[in-house]
Amino acid sequence: DAGVTQSPTHLIKTRGQQVTLRCSPKSGHDTVSWYQQALGQGPQFIFQYYEEEERQRGNFPDRFSGHQFPNYSSELNVNALLLGDSALYLCASSSILNADRGNQPQHFGDGTRLSIL
Amino acid sequence: EDQVTQSPEALRLQEGESSSLNCSYTVSGLRGLFWYRQDPGKGPEFLFTLYSAGEEKEKERLKATLTKKESFLHITAPKPEDSATYLCAVQAGTSYDKVIFGPGTSLSVIP
Repeated sequence: DAGVTQSPTHLIKTRGQQVTLRCSPKSGHDTVSWYQQALGQGPQFIFQYYEEEERQRGNFPDRFSGHQFPNYSSELNVNALLLGDSALYLCASSSILNADRGNQPQHFGDGTRLSIL
Repeated sequence: EDQVTQSPEALRLQEGESSSLNCSYTVSGLRGLFWYRQDPGKGPEFLFTLYSAGEEKEKERLKATLTKKESFLHITAPKPEDSATYLCAVQAGTSYDKVIFGPGTSLSVIP
């Protein structure tokens, strides 16, 4: 049973460029959340997608956008990259249908390490 | 504002030396508290979910407990392979989907 997979594993970009990161959720999961994790910090919530729509959004600018496809996979797009966008970007998946008391653990991929030069 | 803090920031233990990690939270209506383990270069790995004060969960050398203001992760007789960063996260009633993480505790177990 494949877990959450993310691609690419590493990426180097320069300031002002645009980047697209990809995520395939765990089998049976229909909800995808994206997080940014700076070195030595906990993950920070960017947004969540369900039924191809953004359901919740954290405190991130509009430069951060996303998309969910009919097969539940998702993309994170970041425009006009800044040095401060350098971080590990994590994707997490969960299942709305299997939610227990409205909350359940998210399963994480190993992330994409994005470096901005 | 919903907030999660963890202490200590870093902890070094001798193999076999038991200890506890703390997670303090301020949220409006806790729906669930999660503990994750994260190894360097990897994504967080789920350990436990706790729903209400007084609840306890155990897995091998780890035991998680929950009160109305904080959670503890107790590590009994740790081994070097328990070395990792331990993350605490909460899901609040005011925000169904958003999960708020603490900064983590970096644990090193020395042989």
